[in-house]
Amino acid sequence: GAVVSQHPSWVICKSGTSVKIECRSLDFQATTMFWYRQFPKQSLMLMATSNEGSKATYEQGVEKDKFLINHASLTLSTLTVTSAHPEDSSFYICSAIDGGQGEKLFFGSGTQLSVL
Amino acid sequence: QQQVKQSPQSLIVQKGGISIINCAYENTAFDYFPWYQQFPGKGPALLIAIRPDVSEKKEGRFTISFNKSAKQFSLHIMDSQPGDSATYFCAATATGTASKLTFGTGTRLQVTL
Repeated sequence: GAVVSQHPSWVICKSGTSVKIECRSLDFQATTMFWYRQFPKQSLMLMATSNEGSKATYEQGVEKDKFLINHASLTLSTLTVTSAHPEDSSFYICSAIDGGQGEKLFFGSGTQLSVL
Repeated sequence: QQQVKQSPQSLIVQKGGISIINCAYENTAFDYFPWYQQFPGKGPALLIAIRPDVSEKKEGRFTISFNKSAKQFSLHIMDSQPGDSATYFCAATATGTASKLTFGTGTRLQVTL
């Protein structure tokens, strides 16, 4: 299967700082990537759809100025949590569509963000 | 109409038994139904997927059964093993929506010895 690499796996930061999470498709080009948020023992909540070379599309209720998404190349999308606060602590997961495998969606390994 | 309802919330199965997880959807536009397996602290991994043109798909010990008229689909894990202990999510999407998946609420499976 296709490989999606996400980095870092976990990050601890102070309240008020910004954190950048990277999502890379290693063996395929991804024109579309997705960012999810997952709270403990809960399902995945789609935050935004990231399209290469254009602005991300955010789901209702997700602050675009808080969660900045950049998809500058066909293999890299980044999520920056700006001015992070403890309530932003969560598990963030990216995913990407491998066009060579139809509609199959492959996920990164996730990033656990803890804001102190 | 976008919901995917998943049950049970948790499941305990003995080693060698059959694990069954059920999902139901409302949106008739959905036409791709994947199942994902997630271990703690990891991202979900695609397990198996089905489209409505077939009623069953089997890959190894994993089988999806699909009932289009009832708008239900289920995952069967045969000969369940302790290594299968994980959280399982069903999902659904409509082709042409860039795989914008709607996820079920998840089932925590524990396979005991």
